[in-house]
Parts: sequence; C-alpha cells; structure tokens
Amino acid sequence: DAGVTQSPTHLIKTRGQQVTLRCSPKSGHDTVSWYQQALGQGPQFIFQYYEEEERQRGNFPDRFSGHQFPNYSSELNVNALLLGDSALYLCASSLSLVARTGELFFGEGSRLTVL
Amino acid sequence: GQNIDQPTEMTATEGAIVQINCTYQTSGFNGLFWYQQHAGEAPTFLSYNVLDGLEEKGRFSSFLSRSKGYSYLLLKELQMKDSASYLCAVNDYKLSFGAGTTVTVRA
Repeated sequence: DAGVTQSPTHLIKTRGQQVTLRCSPKSGHDTVSWYQQALGQGPQFIFQYYEEEERQRGNFPDRFSGHQFPNYSSELNVNALLLGDSALYLCASSLSLVARTGELFFGEGSRLTVL
Repeated sequence: GQNIDQPTEMTATEGAIVQINCTYQTSGFNGLFWYQQHAGEAPTFLSYNVLDGLEEKGRFSSFLSRSKGYSYLLLKELQMKDSASYLCAVNDYKLSFGAGTTVTVRA
C-alpha cells in the first residue's frame, strides 16, 4: 500500500517563475492538506482540499493556489515566485476533514529552491 | 490566532529521559499531535491526545491538560536514533504546528 507520494522531490526555479507540485494521497484517503516548511521551522498550513474544493486556507497570498482531482490527488501552484518561497512543501492526507488518531500521513515533500 | 510554543533545543544522554513541553493558545481544539522529524525527512506520527491525561506508547508517552493549554512528550531510554526534531501540533480541523524542538542525544 503506497503512502503519500509527492513529485518532484527537488526543483530549482528563478524569481518570477511558476511552479506546480503534485501529491497522491494514501489509498483510501480523501482529504489533502498542503504545508510549507522553511528551514528550522515547523510546517505552516497553506490549504486543505476535500471533495475537490478548498475547505480551509492558512495565511498565504493568492499566489498560492491548488486543485484536487476526482481521484483525490492534488496540485499546489505557486505563481510569481519569490526568494522567500524556498522551502520544503509537504502534502498530508487523511480520511475526511478531521484528522483522527494516526490518520494524518505526510509525504516526503518537495524541496523548492528559488534563485 | 494560533500560538504554539515549545523549546528550541534540548540535549540528553543516551539512556536518559527527556521531557518536551508544549503550550498552546488556539482558536479551536480537537486534539494535539506529536510528530518526529529527522533532518530532510517528512514528519512521522508519534502520538495523539484528545482527552486529558497520559497516553503511553512504548518508550514514548504524551500528556495533555486542556484547561492549562499544555502538553508534553516524554522520551524514555533515549537512543541515538531519537536525535530529531519533535513537533507539537494542535488539531483545529487542520494542524497548526509549533516550531519544533531539536533533541540531540549524546553517547
């Protein structure tokens, strides 16, 4: 049973470019959340998708957008990249909107470097 | 808003016990998670408390007091592989994380 898979694992972009990160949730999970983790910090909540709709959003600008597909996989898009967007982007999946005991699983992350 | 505080760093000796405290002030609460994160890796689930009291899982235990907005993670019989960052996260239908506590285990 595959866990949460993310792609790409590493990527380098330049300021002003756009990036798309992808996530496939653990089998049986229908909710996907995205987090940004800067070096030495805890993960910061970006947004959460359930039933193909954004259900909750953290304190991130509109440059950050996402999508969930009918198969529950998800994409995170970041436009007009800034140096400060360099971070590890984590996808987490769970069953339903409420993450109950042990049901929130993280992928290995996509490390984005903006030059 | 969300405010979750935990110490930045802790150091302990192999075989010892370490307690990592976490205090929180959040707009909602549906439980508290502890995650372990090794450098360059994804967080992995350690424990989840939704009611007051102590939850024990092998060498790891976690305690919650909702009235005090306080939790701790207790690591017993420390091993070198326990050197990692430990993240406290409050569940408010999303997870709000603290900055993490880096634990270094010395021989």
